[in-house]
Amino acid sequence: DPKIIQKPKYLVAVTGSEKILICEQYLGHNAMYWYRQSAKKPLEFMFSYSYQKLMDNQTASSRFQPQSSKKNHLDLQITALKPDDSATYFCASSQPRDRVEQYFGPGTRLTVL
Amino acid sequence: GDSVTQTEGLVTLTKGLPVMLNCTYQTTYSPFLFWYVQHLNEAPKLLLKSSTDNKRTEHQGFYATLHKSSSSFHLQKSSVQLSDSALYFCALPLGGYKLTFGTGTSLLVDP
Repeated sequence: DPKIIQKPKYLVAVTGSEKILICEQYLGHNAMYWYRQSAKKPLEFMFSYSYQKLMDNQTASSRFQPQSSKKNHLDLQITALKPDDSATYFCASSQPRDRVEQYFGPGTRLTVL
Repeated sequence: GDSVTQTEGLVTLTKGLPVMLNCTYQTTYSPFLFWYVQHLNEAPKLLLKSSTDNKRTEHQGFYATLHKSSSSFHLQKSSVQLSDSALYFCALPLGGYKLTFGTGTSLLVDP
């Protein structure tokens, strides 16, 4: 059974619209993350949460808003979508300690037209 | 600032040959390095990790040694297989749990 679920697997959106990317993990971890991977850039850290609190935000744009409704959920809301937002978005989780392995979900591939 | 450098974008090899993928780093922290592997359309998965200077770490036929003197953590395998074709990332954890990744090296193994 998958331990980290990301929904949807593929997502197509129009410029200017808003989408929510879903992430649930069943590894019992208390730290969760979002990373982005595009053709232009390698895996790029976006956010980290620990015990449902924001720890680090490396995303310059406020159009990206993580939302943690439960301790094993970390969704990502993206507003005013732009074609440059097209990428695969990976959710990850780990124990809330430094320098531990992070487990990645299967990703959501977002295409903005 | 803290960073990871992978110099090869693409490495193409014939099955059975040895491979070395380069990774060097800069960090103000005590170094702790990871290698992640990502097969096509899959999630990145941890392959190796190390924080011990000059100690070889191995997993699934791959091995790497952290050399603090040269700030390197190169990934090696003595005999590559077709199934090793994938994208390989070197990663450095920074403060606050975040990982910074290198640009990745695509390994393509020919029959």
